Amino acid sequence: GEDVEQSLFLSVREGDSSVINCTYTDSSSTYLYWYKQEPGAGLQLLTYIFSNMDMKQDQRLTVLLNKKDKHLSLRIADTQTGDSAIYFCAESWDTGRRALTFGSGTRLQVQP
Amino acid sequence: DAGVTQSPTHLIKTRGQQVTLRCSPKSGHDTVSWYQQALGQGPQFIFQYYEEEERQRGNFPDRFSGHQFPNYSSELNVNALLLGDSALYLCASSLGLEQPQHFGDGTRLSIL
Repeated sequence: GEDVEQSLFLSVREGDSSVINCTYTDSSSTYLYWYKQEPGAGLQLLTYIFSNMDMKQDQRLTVLLNKKDKHLSLRIADTQTGDSAIYFCAESWDTGRRALTFGSGTRLQVQP
Repeated sequence: DAGVTQSPTHLIKTRGQQVTLRCSPKSGHDTVSWYQQALGQGPQFIFQYYEEEERQRGNFPDRFSGHQFPNYSSELNVNALLLGDSALYLCASSLGLEQPQHFGDGTRLSIL
């Protein structure tokens, strides 16, 4: 079956790096995603990675994938107060036309 | 370029009533998925529509039904509302098998 797990809360100081972790159990997952949700809003796609990749970097965001341990992480460099939000990890078997399975989300609090 | 739009933004109903939520996909997208997000949880997949047909369905009862129109917009209908149906309902759209899902801001449904 599919299950995605995340830690509930992370607090960092402005300017530090944040690392949000996620584990998944479905070895057949093909794509893994990170979404951001601010209060009262929907989900904003931050980045995604194919399962045949180990790393993907996009400006301040770095995604690392360890397929052996089924572990995904999102690193945010130079974290800003505007990065405060809930971050969701999600998996699917392909991109557009397959259901996404989400974790429960990690609340990131950035202290000035 | 308009993103995914959902209406209404908020809705209050009573138990036993019926509700219809609407979604317009991002310009150029042809696939619409619906998710339910309970307070403090990650989104749960309800179903997905492509070419006006339901293609995938999550673990939701038949009280949840949907429709996709020729212009790719979609409706989610919920009959015989229960208190437990109170949630944020999110619509996501995508194009083809290579593009990820993009979300709207959701409809907040409250059942009294």
